[in-house]
Amino acid sequence: EVQVVQSGGDLVQPGESLTLSCAASGFAVISDYLSWVRQAPGKGLEWVLVIYHGGNTYYRDSVKGRFTISRDNSKNTLYLHMNNLRPEDTAVYYCVRGYNYAYFWGQGTLVTVSS
Amino acid sequence: EIVMTQSPVTLSMSPGERATLSCRASQSVGSDLAWYQQKPGQAPRLLIYGASTRATGVPARFSGSGSGTEFTLTISSLLSDDFTLYYCQQYNKWEYTFGQGTKLEIK
Repeated sequence: EVQVVQSGGDLVQPGESLTLSCAASGFAVISDYLSWVRQAPGKGLEWVLVIYHGGNTYYRDSVKGRFTISRDNSKNTLYLHMNNLRPEDTAVYYCVRGYNYAYFWGQGTLVTVSS
Repeated sequence: EIVMTQSPVTLSMSPGERATLSCRASQSVGSDLAWYQQKPGQAPRLLIYGASTRATGVPARFSGSGSGTEFTLTISSLLSDDFTLYYCQQYNKWEYTFGQGTKLEIK
């Protein structure tokens, strides 16, 4: 059964860092196309970044230089490393399968950036 | 950035009726258009991709049409389970963008 389990969401202060995890089963993170999509509370959806199976990545401008993505093949887990967080990064972050449209979604994890 | 505009913002319908939701792109996206359904407290669910292809497991009462800048999601006969939020999304050009959503509510 295909499944992703997300974790890592937390309340942090502006300027702090946080890492989100997306543990996969039923498919291999290393050979799949994966993305992160976020949704601010009560707001719409925003596609944050995509990683191709070959490792190429695309980041939206507002997170470039602050967010990076990595994969741990031994744990079959995708990570989103977020640095210098801003209040506008507050959102539920979804780990999704797909590099253009999202055909499978994780349950989401809430990141709150507030002083 | 390609701006996606959905209309109406809220659509009031009755069960059994036919619903038509619209999505307009600020520039042509070809057929690189997806539709999602989101219920409260849940992650979105893919309904349509390629403007008109139903995703796996999506009932036939959902259909998509359009190309270029004008797109439509049609729900042929509304069930109570269909009254929720719908988003369109373009993936023709990075940064991919979503519409602001249409809330389908019971009249």
